[in-house]
Amino acid sequence: DAGVTQSPTHLIKTRGQQVTLRCSPKSGHDTVSWYQQALGQGPQFIFQYYEEEERQRGNFPDRFSGHQFPNYSSELNVNALLLGDSALYLCASRDESSYEQYFGPGTRLTVT
Amino acid sequence: GDSVTQMEGPVTLSEEAFLTINCTYTATGYPSLFWYVQYPGEGLQLLLKATKADDKGSNKGFEATYRKETTSFHLEKGSVQVSDSAVYFCALSEDSNTGKLIFGQGTTLQVKP
Repeated sequence: DAGVTQSPTHLIKTRGQQVTLRCSPKSGHDTVSWYQQALGQGPQFIFQYYEEEERQRGNFPDRFSGHQFPNYSSELNVNALLLGDSALYLCASRDESSYEQYFGPGTRLTVT
Repeated sequence: GDSVTQMEGPVTLSEEAFLTINCTYTATGYPSLFWYVQYPGEGLQLLLKATKADDKGSNKGFEATYRKETTSFHLEKGSVQVSDSAVYFCALSEDSNTGKLIFGQGTTLQVKP
């Protein structure tokens, strides 16, 4: 049983560009959350998707948007990239019986 | 708002030493508390959790007790190994509907042979 998978592993973008990150949840999980982890910091909640709708959003600007597909996979889109968007982006899916969250390995985004 | 504060690292120990990583929290209600571990180049893994006051979470020799009176959830291990070297994150969740996690800044543990 595959765990949470994310792609790509690493990404380098230029300031002002747009980026799309992808996540496939653990089998049987229908809830996907995205977190941003800046270097040396703890992860910060961006938003959560459930039944293809954004269920909750953290304190992030509208440049950060997402989508969830019928197969529960999800995308995180960031527009007008800033240098400060450089971080590890983590995706997590949730087991609705135990409420435990399972994290993927992350996508390392570098904005130059 | 809710927050989590961890002791600053890095923490450097010799193999078989006793480990304590302090964690305190601020919350308006009765959160669930967690410790996650992040090994180099990997995502976060749940190490242990506690969902109510006085609960003790334990896993792989690590323990933490939910102390409501001191708003703390300190991580302990009696004898660390080199393989325990990683970054440890304390986290809380007050929202049982979404499970949104609020993390501390992380504490790096380095264990030397």
